[in-house]
Amino acid sequence: DIVVTQSPDSLAVSLGERATINCKSSQSVLYSSINKNYVAWYQQKPGQPPKLLIYWASTRESGVPDRFCGSGSGTDFTLTISSLQAADVAVYYCQQYYSAPYLFGQGTKLEIK
Amino acid sequence: QITLKESGPTLVKPTQTLTLTCIFSGFSLSTSGVGVGWIRQPPGKALEWLALIYWDDDERYSPSLKSRLTITKDTSKNQVVLTMTNMDPMDTATYYCAHGFYGYLQSWGQGTLVTVSS
Repeated sequence: DIVVTQSPDSLAVSLGERATINCKSSQSVLYSSINKNYVAWYQQKPGQPPKLLIYWASTRESGVPDRFCGSGSGTDFTLTISSLQAADVAVYYCQQYYSAPYLFGQGTKLEIK
Repeated sequence: QITLKESGPTLVKPTQTLTLTCIFSGFSLSTSGVGVGWIRQPPGKALEWLALIYWDDDERYSPSLKSRLTITKDTSKNQVVLTMTNMDPMDTATYYCAHGFYGYLQSWGQGTLVTVSS
């Protein structure tokens, strides 16, 4: 299995500041022939299902604010929220879909400082 | 607009078999690249990926649960069914179905809480 590990487990950031969440896969999730990284990011607010933010490691889903940015390649990936808003308080998950089982990370809880 | 809705029992007894149905609209499960998956989340815990079925009938399972899971689709009825045998209290969770492409999950149902208790 390709395991994904997020860091940190929790994060407190001031409003308007940058938040950075990391995701590391146990092996490369880059499909070289098409130059795509099989990583997605989700946001989950309490009592709600997860919401897709980013896929192919850096493609923003339609309707997602441009303050959310995904980056990275191979085994190391980052979700950056450029200017934290109150509405961004949530748990964030990364997922690899390169090889089944398409495991999720353990989640990162983002709060306001 | 894509919608998915999970249905099934809210309470099952240990050792029973759970059958969950995902009824969807707004997309076709015969379109290349499309898949429907099941994910669960125990109360207060992280997401756990369970299974996914693709447009071409390719089935993928969590290895740790593979012996207990079966995923099927009925394209004509816009339904995907997940069965899980030998239920245990540790299987208590909210179960979600979700639609996506090549493994990432674009649209999710609201989820259904399944409690396993005698």
